[in-house]
Amino acid sequence: DTAVSQTPKYLVTQMGNDKSIKCEQNLGHDTMYWYKQDSKKFLKIMFSYNNKELIINETVPNRFSPKSPDKAHLNLHINSLELGDSAVYFCASSQGPDTGELFFGEGSRLTVL
Amino acid sequence: AQKVTQAQTEISVVEKEDVTLDCVYETRDTTYYLFWYKQPPSGELVFLIRRNSFDEQNEISGRYSWNFQKSTSSFNFTITASQVVDSAVYFCAPPSGNTPLVFGKGTRLSVIA
Repeated sequence: DTAVSQTPKYLVTQMGNDKSIKCEQNLGHDTMYWYKQDSKKFLKIMFSYNNKELIINETVPNRFSPKSPDKAHLNLHINSLELGDSAVYFCASSQGPDTGELFFGEGSRLTVL
Repeated sequence: AQKVTQAQTEISVVEKEDVTLDCVYETRDTTYYLFWYKQPPSGELVFLIRRNSFDEQNEISGRYSWNFQKSTSSFNFTITASQVVDSAVYFCAPPSGNTPLVFGKGTRLSVIA
């Protein structure tokens, strides 16, 4: 059983489209995250939710909207996709916001044409 | 600004050799956490260690060990008797609070049989 699973793993789409990436964790963790890894391998946090509440919101365009329907799920919706949004998006979870030990999914590679 | 330098972009060793991955950081904070994560070819990041800035004891976990030197702002990682399965990109995250906010480009380690 995959602990943190993301779908889809690969996503190719046109500029201007709207797309979503889903994330689910079965670890019983309270905290979930979205990170973005660019083509140079820099990985940066985007959002973090603790018990469905937003606790970290880095400087991310408004076109990115996370949604946490329950603490096991954190989805990422992106509106009006741009070329620069092409990246690998990683979902992660941790037991709480203070543990520092994050469990990552395998990533979702988004390519915007 | 919080910053980390992993000077080695790529390292290649023969199996059973010991290898040290360097990490030098910058911070003005007196209290912070440092992290090491591993990204194997499968893509997901795997937590290795979190170190509190107050704890300067070296840490050993099996073949892995970490040398934290606050005086030189370094947090180096050594793999003893390397194995092919150790091949991965290793990230040292810049000093942060409980959650790593960003990771650098990492060091790509290739262990050759």
